[in-house]
Amino acid sequence: EAGVAQSPRYKIIEKRQSVAFWCNPISGHATLYWYQQILGQGPKLLIQFQNNGVVDDSQLPKDRFSAERLKGVDSTLKIQPAKLEDSAVYLCASSGGAGLYNEQFFGPGTRLTVL
Amino acid sequence: SQQGEEDPQALSIQEGENATMNCSYKTSINNLQWYRQNSGRGLVHLILIRSNEREKHSGRLRVTLDTSKKSSSLLITASRAADTASYFCATGPRKTSGSRLTFGEGTQLTVNP
Repeated sequence: EAGVAQSPRYKIIEKRQSVAFWCNPISGHATLYWYQQILGQGPKLLIQFQNNGVVDDSQLPKDRFSAERLKGVDSTLKIQPAKLEDSAVYLCASSGGAGLYNEQFFGPGTRLTVL
Repeated sequence: SQQGEEDPQALSIQEGENATMNCSYKTSINNLQWYRQNSGRGLVHLILIRSNEREKHSGRLRVTLDTSKKSSSLLITASRAADTASYFCATGPRKTSGSRLTFGEGTQLTVNP
């Protein structure tokens, strides 16, 4: 079974530029998550999708971050414009459902450096 | 402060020894999960324990949960160099809909050969 795919793996941009990350979840997984992991910290949930609907985006900085999952499969996360503090690893995860006891499967992440 | 806080922040042991990591949390939960993250990689799910369970085993892993103390521990027995990684606890709050997990800061485990 193929895992969660993410691209690119690394991205370096200057502040105020825009950047987009792509995620392809495990086939058949209805729930998709985007996390931000700052160096030395645990992952923080940015947004959760159930199929193509948003379940939780309470921690997404909506003035600069946006995410979509138009067909309920792939997802993109965009930052526009980027700030220095956005430097982090952006992790995508998926699970088979949105229930309380679902294991989440993580992709390798995209390491973003904002200069 | 973090919902899940791991202790210690870093742990260094010799191969063959046991490693114990602790996690404390603040609010009521419906489950607690442990994940491993190797350097530069994504997280891998290790084990899930429900709020009505007290202990769970999986291979060399043993997890305990004490809801009265709002704490959990992860024991890795007979550690191997390949166990070197960061270990995170993640809680699923009781009152939150969906499956949002709140992660702690992690424990960096180093197993020396």
